[in-house]
Amino acid sequence: QQPVQSPQAVILREGEDAVINCSSSKALYSVHWYRQKHGEAPVFLMILLKGGEQKGHEKISASFNEKKQQSSLYLTASQLSYSGTYFCGTESTPGNNRLAFGKGNQVVVIP
Amino acid sequence: SQTIHQWPATLVQPVGSPLSLECTVEGTSNPNLYWYRQAAGRGLQLLFYSVGIGQISSEVPQNLSASRPQDRQFILSSKKLLLSDSGFYLCAWSLVGGEQFFGPGTRLTVL
Repeated sequence: QQPVQSPQAVILREGEDAVINCSSSKALYSVHWYRQKHGEAPVFLMILLKGGEQKGHEKISASFNEKKQQSSLYLTASQLSYSGTYFCGTESTPGNNRLAFGKGNQVVVIP
Repeated sequence: SQTIHQWPATLVQPVGSPLSLECTVEGTSNPNLYWYRQAAGRGLQLLFYSVGIGQISSEVPQNLSASRPQDRQFILSSKKLLLSDSGFYLCAWSLVGGEQFFGPGTRLTVL
């Protein structure tokens, strides 16, 4: 089951904050976040395992609420390099690494 | 360190022609391997995944097939391409329980 990502697109100025979300209708074991620049392959940002874990990558952090079956990615003091499409991949069965990816959140950071 | 290679980088093929895309991974053993397709402006659709030599699971019925003749080699094939097969094809690898690392991708255009 494909997770739902929202909002579809975000435009923000350098230094501003933004939150993007990933929700699933299935119980989740883990959530993976990736960022993809135009024409390039997705790059891994972080994995969150069930238990309300919060992680960080540069000034990007994420949380995972397993009860609500959702994860949020927080872009803090955004930089131009944060522009790209963010994908969440959800894993419902531990260990098989089969991820269902959402359609992505497009983030554009402008000067 | 681990690296993942895909070739060719771009491919233009006529409808009805065969297809063979190759993916190899270096620097790791017994990886899980994946083939994804990404249509323009869309998310990542898992096509096949493999947990070992000769072990292939198909996620969606389609015109494509995959094979894993060696531990670190994953091949995506088609006997007769359709227009709908156009897209950005990504190979990825992971270890059990870990993040997925994507190759540079092959952009396929079927005319």
